[in-house]
Amino acid sequence: QQKVQQSPESLIVPEGGMASLNCTSSDRNVDYFWWYRQHSGKSPKMLMSIFSNGEKEEGRFTVHLNKASLHTSLHIRDSQPSDSALYLCAASPGGNYKPTFGKGTSLVVHP
Amino acid sequence: NSKVIQTPRYLVKGQGQKAKMRCIPEKGHPVVFWYQQNKNNEFKFLINFQNQEVLQQIDMTEKRFSAECPSNSPCSLEIQSSEAGDSALYLCASSLLGGAETLYFGSGTRLTVL
Repeated sequence: QQKVQQSPESLIVPEGGMASLNCTSSDRNVDYFWWYRQHSGKSPKMLMSIFSNGEKEEGRFTVHLNKASLHTSLHIRDSQPSDSALYLCAASPGGNYKPTFGKGTSLVVHP
Repeated sequence: NSKVIQTPRYLVKGQGQKAKMRCIPEKGHPVVFWYQQNKNNEFKFLINFQNQEVLQQIDMTEKRFSAECPSNSPCSLEIQSSEAGDSALYLCASSLLGGAETLYFGSGTRLTVL
């Protein structure tokens, strides 16, 4: 059964700092990766997706993907207290296969 | 605001009672997923549908859990005989396709089994 491993489990960064989160899939068939953000008491919302090797940047958020190692990372620069949330990585082989979620990284950005 | 509507927001049941929750997917999304998120934030896939047909489901779902997505009606997830371990946030999500598309989540139904 496919597993998605995320690290670290929790992360504390100062306001304005850089947060780096990691995710690796154990399924060699995985082709699609997403990062979702879930604020406390809310539902997850897709933050970024990446399907090709390389890097993708959207504002303060950058995501990397290495398909050979099935590893993706999310980097948040100039972190804000509003970025404090649970960050979930999801991976899927595509087709009718459901996305599998990791356990998440709990990020706290302190003022 | 989420366009996936889940009801009720909170559900409290005694052990052995039935628990039923509903989900209206985003308009135009034929694929619906149910996930269980426990207190440790672990996501467990339960079942997914494309239109009214089951695509995948886990063994647990086949025993005490049942789900359906009838045409022109909300999708539903029902636990026939609730157990304490079923206490969790049940998230419904919809998407345009199956595994290659972003999931759009509802606000969830928080089930507490006393």
